[in-house]
Amino acid sequence: DSGVTQTPKHLITATGQRVTLRCSPRSGDLSVYWYQQSLDQGLQFLIQYYNGEERAKGNILERFSAQQFPDLHSELNLSSLELGDSALYFCASSVGPTGLTYEQYFGPGTRLTVT
Amino acid sequence: GDSVTQMEGPVTLSEEAFLTINCTYTATGYPSLFWYVQYPGEGLQLLLKATKADDKGSNKGFEATYRKETTSFHLEKGSVQVSDSAVYFCALIGDTGNQFYFGTGTSLTVIP
Repeated sequence: DSGVTQTPKHLITATGQRVTLRCSPRSGDLSVYWYQQSLDQGLQFLIQYYNGEERAKGNILERFSAQQFPDLHSELNLSSLELGDSALYFCASSVGPTGLTYEQYFGPGTRLTVT
Repeated sequence: GDSVTQMEGPVTLSEEAFLTINCTYTATGYPSLFWYVQYPGEGLQLLLKATKADDKGSNKGFEATYRKETTSFHLEKGSVQVSDSAVYFCALIGDTGNQFYFGTGTSLTVIP
C-alpha cells in the first residue's frame, strides 16, 4: 500500500458526460501527479500540482482540468467524454516539487470506461 | 523531444531463468532513469533508479546500468521467480525534473 488513495475504483459513463476523479496523497506529500494509462498510448503524464499550484503540464487535453485543494487532495475533471478517454487514471504523490529528487508513490488507479 | 523505447512483450520465462528487458532513451541534457514495476491490479512502484552516467541501480535482485554512450538502461535479473511476474516500465525524467516519460511497458510472466 503506497498510502495514495484514489476514488472511485471504477467508473462507467456515457460519451459527452463529465466525471471527477479524486486523489488523496500520502501524508506529508505536497506534489500530486496525474497520469493516463491506455492500451494504445501507454502511460502518459498529464499534469502536476505542488502545494496547490500547477507546476508542470504534459499531454493533457483541453477538455481535462485538475486542481489541488488546500488540504492537498486533488481532483481531475474530464468533460465531454469520448470513447478514447477510456483508460486507467493514476495519481502519484511526492514530498517535493520535482520528480528528480523525490520518489513518486502511485495510487491504485481509477478505471474509466466510456460507453 | 524526450522519449523512452523499451522491448516489446510479452516475455515468458521459466523460474530461475535470466531476464533482460531492453530500454533505450532519447533526451537532451542529463536525464535520470528509472524502472517501475506494476503488479496486477496495483499502481506502479519504483524498482530502481540511476541519476548519472555509469550509475548502477539495484533492488530485489534486479539491476540496471545507466549507459550514456549507448543511451540505454537495460533491466537484468539473474534468476527470476514466479513472484516477479508483472509489467515493467522504463522511464526518464529530464534535468528540469518536471515531466516523466514512460516506455510502453513489458509484461513478464514467470512459469514454475
